[in-house]
Amino acid sequence: GQQLNQSPQSMFIQEGEDVSMNCTSSSIFNTWLWYKQEPGEGPVLLIALYKAGELTSNGRLTAQFGITRKDSFLNISASIPSDVGIYFCAGRTDSWGKLQFGAGTQVVVTP
Amino acid sequence: DAMVIQNPRYQVTQFGKPVTLSCSQTLNHNVMYWYQQKSSQAPKLLFHYYDKDFNNEADTPDNFQSRRPNTSFCFLDIRSPGLGDAAMYLCATSRYQSGGPLNEQFFGPGTRLTVL
Repeated sequence: GQQLNQSPQSMFIQEGEDVSMNCTSSSIFNTWLWYKQEPGEGPVLLIALYKAGELTSNGRLTAQFGITRKDSFLNISASIPSDVGIYFCAGRTDSWGKLQFGAGTQVVVTP
Repeated sequence: DAMVIQNPRYQVTQFGKPVTLSCSQTLNHNVMYWYQQKSSQAPKLLFHYYDKDFNNEADTPDNFQSRRPNTSFCFLDIRSPGLGDAAMYLCATSRYQSGGPLNEQFFGPGTRLTVL
């Protein structure tokens, strides 16, 4: 099956710093989604990308759908303590919506 | 607010004792999914319903079953829970239209299952 490689596995950053994480795949996806999951909660959708090259922002979050359709990145600018959580990328090839998840990036923000 | 609701949020069961987890949605989405998520891992799809059509993942154990009595509700039944079935169980929904735009999956808050 398709493998999504998400990196880094974890990040320890200071408040105010920018965060960058990415996902790569050997296969082409037609949709990339980025979710955030806090402890004991379900994943919350942050950004959805549908077209190669698409760059989308949601507040301090920016994500891009790679031009080759095999990768995507997520940036968080000026991190704050509530950015703490695990960020998952997910790619989709099937029209009905089956997602392939990355392993997640754990973000820890220190004051 | 329209949302995906899971009950209970925490469930404790005994080894081998059947347990049912429930999910309801007010989004009127036609697709509902059940995922299993173990600690520090990504969610793993168990099965999904497209309307009333049930679609099982090839590697989902027979111990896991599901029911969808109507559009709003979906249940996950674990017939004989083992210690390895302790996990967070996530329900998600999406709206699929043939030939239409692909829609995102929205997750519920999850049910944390403990097996004693």
